[in-house]
Amino acid sequence: QVQLQQSGPGLVKPSQTLSLTCAISGDSVSSNNAIWNWIRQSPSRGLEWLGATYYRSKWYNDYAVSVKSRITISPDTSKNQFSLQLNSVTPEDTAVYYCGRKPPGTFAFDIWGQGTVVTVSS
Amino acid sequence: QSALTQPASVSGSPGQSITLSCTGTSSDLGVYNYVSWYQQHPGKAPKLMIFDVSNRPSGVSNRFSGSKSGNTASLTISGLQTEDEADYFCSSYSTTNTPWVFGGGTKLTVL
Repeated sequence: QVQLQQSGPGLVKPSQTLSLTCAISGDSVSSNNAIWNWIRQSPSRGLEWLGATYYRSKWYNDYAVSVKSRITISPDTSKNQFSLQLNSVTPEDTAVYYCGRKPPGTFAFDIWGQGTVVTVSS
Repeated sequence: QSALTQPASVSGSPGQSITLSCTGTSSDLGVYNYVSWYQQHPGKAPKLMIFDVSNRPSGVSNRFSGSKSGNTASLTISGLQTEDEADYFCSSYSTTNTPWVFGGGTKLTVL
């Protein structure tokens, strides 16, 4: 059964970089069928898709326009995980961050990580 | 402000059926049959309940069903149970520059 395990700090200072990792078990980050996503949730913005990484003979990334200038999502095939980096954070980036899988054949997120509460504060 | 519109709250009694709505536009619900529904209990990650309008993942009760007409999708929960009390979010694939959009969520209270 597929599981996603998130890790990373819960407190980030303004202007610094938010970094989270999502470790995959039961599937592969290099799968030719799945898409690996980061989604966040806050009271002010609700659920917001941030971006994704996926492998289709080569690596691709898609990012939400709202964060495109600040975000990097990277696969790590040696550890079977993928990571999120969000630069130049502000208090508006305070949210619960989730990783999630879009499986083949559907347009939905069927597996979610446990969530990481990230607070941006000095 | 969320791209998809959901009522903030709905309530029902045990055993009743309720329907939650999700309204989008011609850029998402109106053009794709890729609406999904998620259940979220406090402090937990969302759980997929319905995908691609009306399909249930393995393990989800058949008390949950989905449909869509035009720009509006619906989630119906029959035989309400106390454990159904949760927030419910809809999501859709979109033609806009953000491929996945979400609703603001509906808080379901089972009285």
